[in-house]
Amino acid sequence: GNSVTQMEGPVTLSEEAFLTINCTYTATGYPSLFWYVQYPGEGLQLLLKATKADDKGSNKGFEATYRKETTSFHLEKGSVQVSDSAVYFCALRAGRDDKIIFGKGTRLHILP
Amino acid sequence: DAGVIQSPRHEVTEMGQEVTLRCKPISGHNSLFWYRQTMMRGLELLIYFNNNVPIDDSGMPEDRFSAKMPNASFSTLKIQPSEPRDSAVYFCASSLGGWNEQFFGPGTRLTVL
Repeated sequence: GNSVTQMEGPVTLSEEAFLTINCTYTATGYPSLFWYVQYPGEGLQLLLKATKADDKGSNKGFEATYRKETTSFHLEKGSVQVSDSAVYFCALRAGRDDKIIFGKGTRLHILP
Repeated sequence: DAGVIQSPRHEVTEMGQEVTLRCKPISGHNSLFWYRQTMMRGLELLIYFNNNVPIDDSGMPEDRFSAKMPNASFSTLKIQPSEPRDSAVYFCASSLGGWNEQFFGPGTRLTVL
């Protein structure tokens, strides 16, 4: 079945460090891929998405590229800030009418 | 505009009691989702409504759980009787239709003692 695997956390970095959170997926066909972010005490919110191979989603300095050859959608940011501390979820939707499947989440701590 | 509204934000109850969680979706959204989040299992979809009709309730754990959506602006998730293993954060989300971008509420943290 369809699934998402993302690196376990927590990930702890210093401010201005480079961030990578790995995400790989298993799906039939050509899924849409998403990153959601959950700030403390809040619900999830969509951070970025990509709907076809080689697409790059970007938002708030974060980027992720849809790599079909490696079935990956790694999240990157060049210089993290303390305010980026949150839990990040990789997710996929296999088809337009299919449910969104979320990964377990990766907690990110940024130290000042 | 207000986002998805959930109440209560925190609920502490004793095993065997009935618990009712409430959700008001974003006005104009016609799809509503209930999720449960735990450390062990992550984020799980419990049930999904479209135009107030339950479309997929395969994630509802067992008969103790029930969900209703009597109108487009209100939904409830009820647990009766509650058990300690039901302790989790329950999220409601809504979307403009189906599996388009979902907007999540702040969640209800439920503790069953």
